[in-house]
Amino acid sequence: QVQLVESGGGLVKPGGSLRLSCAGSGFIFSDYYMSWFRQAPGKGLEWVSYISSSGSTKYYADSVKGRFTISRDDANNSLYLQMDSLRAEDTAVYYCARKWGPVDYWGQGTLVTVSS
Amino acid sequence: EIVMTQSPATLSVSPGERATLSCRASQSLSSNLAWYQQKPGQAPRLLIYDASTKATGIPARFSGSGSGTEFTLTISSLQSEDFAVYYCQQYNYWPRTFGQGTKVEIK
Repeated sequence: QVQLVESGGGLVKPGGSLRLSCAGSGFIFSDYYMSWFRQAPGKGLEWVSYISSSGSTKYYADSVKGRFTISRDDANNSLYLQMDSLRAEDTAVYYCARKWGPVDYWGQGTLVTVSS
Repeated sequence: EIVMTQSPATLSVSPGERATLSCRASQSLSSNLAWYQQKPGQAPRLLIYDASTKATGIPARFSGSGSGTEFTLTISSLQSEDFAVYYCQQYNYWPRTFGQGTKVEIK
């Protein structure tokens, strides 16, 4: 069965960096475009970033453009999100997702807290 | 950016009753709309895509309708496991955007 498992979340100070990872299994990872979404505490869902199946096309939400970088390693069935210059408003549960609309599978999420 | 507006914000329904949730888009989406269910502490789950197609394993009591700018999710007879927050998402335009959610609570 399809599984997406995120890791790498935690507490980081404003201005700091964090790298999220997502391990995919149960499907041919290289066939799919992948995305990251996030959900601030008690808030709704927000799309963060997208990467094509080839890795050649990447999109970012305006709120993270220039600070976050999405990448993938198909040999290891993995998706990554490098998050730099983190701000308090980046505090959220980050979800790895297969596709970006509609999203047919979601990971369980990893919590990122940006606080001093 | 496409603005998605869901109504009502909260819907109080008794088990066994019908629930009707609405989602309106600021521009026409054709049928490129999905519905998700999210329970506390869990990831969202895809219910409906292409406005009216049920995702794999979704019970028959869930149905979606609409096109253009007006969409509806109907739960024909609410079960205890259906009390959750429901989100609509458009995927006709970049960036993909969500409604703010409708919480379906027990009356």
